[in-house]
Amino acid sequence: GQQLNQSPQSMFIQEGEDVSMNCTSSSIFNTWLWYKQDPGEGPVLLIALYKAGELTSNGRLTAQFGITRKDSFLNISASIPSDVGIYFCAGQRDDSGYALNFGKGTSLLVTP
Amino acid sequence: GAVVSQHPSRVICKSGTSVKIECRSLDFQATTMFWYRQFPKQSLMLMATSNEGSKATYEQGVEKDKFLINHASLTLSTLTVTSAHPEDSSFYICSARDLRGAYYNEQFFGPGTRLTVL
Repeated sequence: GQQLNQSPQSMFIQEGEDVSMNCTSSSIFNTWLWYKQDPGEGPVLLIALYKAGELTSNGRLTAQFGITRKDSFLNISASIPSDVGIYFCAGQRDDSGYALNFGKGTSLLVTP
Repeated sequence: GAVVSQHPSRVICKSGTSVKIECRSLDFQATTMFWYRQFPKQSLMLMATSNEGSKATYEQGVEKDKFLINHASLTLSTLTVTSAHPEDSSFYICSARDLRGAYYNEQFFGPGTRLTVL
């Protein structure tokens, strides 16, 4: 399957700073999802977006489904040390058996 | 949310042996299960999609005779790595989805299985 373009690849920030990462694709998706993965564990869903233009928040996290349906961004406000991990975007097309195409991930490090 | 378990969480085997990994949906019926492989510091790559009672659909480049997938019930799918070699060492993650139930629009991931082939 197609791998999405996710940036930045890694971020090293101080506690309290805001973080922004994004994902782009050459093709349209019906659903965009953002996951967090801790070392040695499976991904955990953070936010799911189902409509173009949709802006959704989950606590300090905010994500948007791009109008063109080919991109999405995730913002984390006021980062804390437990935000450390790898964040993946994923796109899903309803006509492809609901399988997910993942981005390459953004590794986030937060210093106290 | 729904829970997906995997067993074992870690397995070490000798080259040439076969290894079976189980994926279970604990509190919902998984009409569809997906198997992903993740190499260190890389993303999840889809290996195959399986629907309950049907043969799995494999992604291009994934050998179906090497990675045997069985989805015999609505709560269990198994991945068997046959004649494993060191290059098969990876983190294998399953996910499950219920296309008919309350969680029809979500996909839940298991905790992963770390396979090391010596």
